[in-house]
Amino acid sequence: GENVEQHPSTLSVQEGDSAVIKCTYSDSASNYFPWYKQELGKRPQLIIDIRSNVGEKKDQRIAVTLNKTAKHFSLHITETQPEDSAVYFCAASIRNSGYALNFGKGTSLLVTP
Amino acid sequence: EADIYQTPRYLVIGTGKKITLECSQTMGHDKMYWYQQDPGMELHLIHYSYGVNSTEKGDLSSESTVSRIRTEHFPLTLESARPSHTSQYLCASSDLAGLDSPLHFGNGTRLTVT
Repeated sequence: GENVEQHPSTLSVQEGDSAVIKCTYSDSASNYFPWYKQELGKRPQLIIDIRSNVGEKKDQRIAVTLNKTAKHFSLHITETQPEDSAVYFCAASIRNSGYALNFGKGTSLLVTP
Repeated sequence: EADIYQTPRYLVIGTGKKITLECSQTMGHDKMYWYQQDPGMELHLIHYSYGVNSTEKGDLSSESTVSRIRTEHFPLTLESARPSHTSQYLCASSDLAGLDSPLHFGNGTRLTVT
């Protein structure tokens, strides 16, 4: 199937610093790119998403950028807090699969006080 | 409260048993999905459905089957469980109103096959 590559696999930052997670995708037909946060033992929760007709979207401390030409998108978290610690997954919509999502392998973010 | 519910939350069974993982959503969504995820790892699509009487296989080869007789219900069945089926199974749904829309996940069923 189509791939979504995500980097880094682990990320450790000090509280207050910024965190950036990057993803690339291979399916040029992908039009929708959500980001999910999954805390230990819990379900993935949508934190922000972006569609292909938009280059950037921001929601308080979280922002996502999309470069459709280069097929990459990034998650930016500013002023990180310990409660931001979780596994973050990027995803891209899959053509001809019921609008399902292809997920990256995840980034384990640790924010230390 | 509108949500997506999965039962059981945890299941330990022996090899060769037949099991059904239940998934129900009260959000009125047409699209439903099953993903397999080892804890903290990548999510793999195993089945999806556009609506009633629609079922399709995802990218990950799976020995499970699904059915969609009612909009709100999308159970997954393993006819003969094996240790390789040990994993977490996440059910999700999304609205057909938009071409692409967020997936809402259930809490998952953590399956252990001994």
